[in-house]
Amino acid sequence: DTEVTQTPKHLVMGMTNKKSLKCEQHMGHRAMYWYKQKAKKPPELMFVYSYEKLSINESVPSRFSPECPNSSLLNLHLHALQPEDSALYLCASSQAWGGTRGAGNTIYFGEGSWLTVV
Amino acid sequence: GESVGLHLPTLSVQEGDNSIINCAYSNSASDYFIWYKQESGKGPQFIIDIRSNMDKRQGQRVTVLLNKTVKHLSLQIAATQPGDSAVYFCAENIRGFQKLVFGTGTRLLVSP
Repeated sequence: DTEVTQTPKHLVMGMTNKKSLKCEQHMGHRAMYWYKQKAKKPPELMFVYSYEKLSINESVPSRFSPECPNSSLLNLHLHALQPEDSALYLCASSQAWGGTRGAGNTIYFGEGSWLTVV
Repeated sequence: GESVGLHLPTLSVQEGDNSIINCAYSNSASDYFIWYKQESGKGPQFIIDIRSNMDKRQGQRVTVLLNKTVKHLSLQIAATQPGDSAVYFCAENIRGFQKLVFGTGTRLLVSP
């Protein structure tokens, strides 16, 4: 079972709504990630936080706004989304950022939040 | 094109067989590789990883082989079980870019 917890599991929102996805991990990891996954496609990186600071933004539209309140929590604020933003949003964490130094930096994923924009 | 991306490569095996899932990577600067299993409706689950200074690593029922000469990675699953049915992704970390890049995925179907 994953130790990365995401809420809600399912979210339906209108294009004018404001909502948030939440992620929590208690493994003491200092890097946290948001990925987006469309059906039958691999996950695509959106954001990386390292030590609570935004380290990578993969040119994500500003209607997606990440926030890292502390080392255990990661939020993704959603506003004025489009139907094509409907996807599975995955949160992940690792001991440190990058995964370059072996198993200690393995990225562990949550179960995801299914987002439908109507 | 988009129509190719909609159809995952599929490997169908019988329960008890050994499965081999292959992955080609293109960047010679990749220094770390992970295999993930993703069941329907769930997030990717870590299976096994390997660093570029190794060519083989074994776990419980799984073995990862890395051939840097031809930029090829494979996942071998011994005595495949119905519970192994899932989509399997390889992911590579490209040195200097500090992020994992996922392959397109392979669907494994295990028949009883």
